[in-house]
Amino acid sequence: GAVVSQHPSRVICKSGTSVKIECRSLDFQATTMFWYRQFPKQSLMLMATSNEGSKATYEQGVEKDKFLINHASLTLSTLTVTSAHPEDSSFYICSARSLGSYEQYFGPGTRLTVT
Amino acid sequence: DAKTTQPTSMDCAEGRAANLPCNHSTISGNEYVYWYRQIHSQGPQYIIHGLKNNETNEMASLIITEDRKSSTLILPHATLRDTAVYYCIVRSGTYKYIFGTGTRLKVLA
Repeated sequence: GAVVSQHPSRVICKSGTSVKIECRSLDFQATTMFWYRQFPKQSLMLMATSNEGSKATYEQGVEKDKFLINHASLTLSTLTVTSAHPEDSSFYICSARSLGSYEQYFGPGTRLTVT
Repeated sequence: DAKTTQPTSMDCAEGRAANLPCNHSTISGNEYVYWYRQIHSQGPQYIIHGLKNNETNEMASLIITEDRKSSTLILPHATLRDTAVYYCIVRSGTYKYIFGTGTRLKVLA
């Protein structure tokens, strides 16, 4: 149980374009979803927290107009990187928690490369 | 959220117990200790968590000191597949996790 998937697993896009990453909870309803990014040999950095049906809460220093987060249903959240630049190249990981639980279950990650 | 401190890296012989320490000296009474691990280029995997009592599950044991300022994750019989980065996280009343730098465990054949 508690499986989280991400799609795509890796994506390459050109500078200036936008890319959407999906995060799905497959066997539970995700009240809250989290988005992290991870640069090579570094730890995970929390970008934002989203609750189903509400606007996401972004961590300090994360541009909300650049990283658009939508959590429209209890099983799906999307992260859209708008006007991507090479410095946005990173490993993006989502996680989800269900109502009444504190544990977060992580997706497998999406590797974004901006050329 | 309390900050955690972990050694940067550790080696362990295959079949032996791996003991991974974590210091969380600023932890407060209602904060839980969570352990996750991340195998290369994958999402973190939940291992175990606890408040003040020692905990054990099929993957590992968690020993929390009486003053709760430190804890140790024990993998009783490490295998090559346990090679990963292990993260100790202290969670407060919020749902957020703040990841530290983690310990890179290498299990040697």
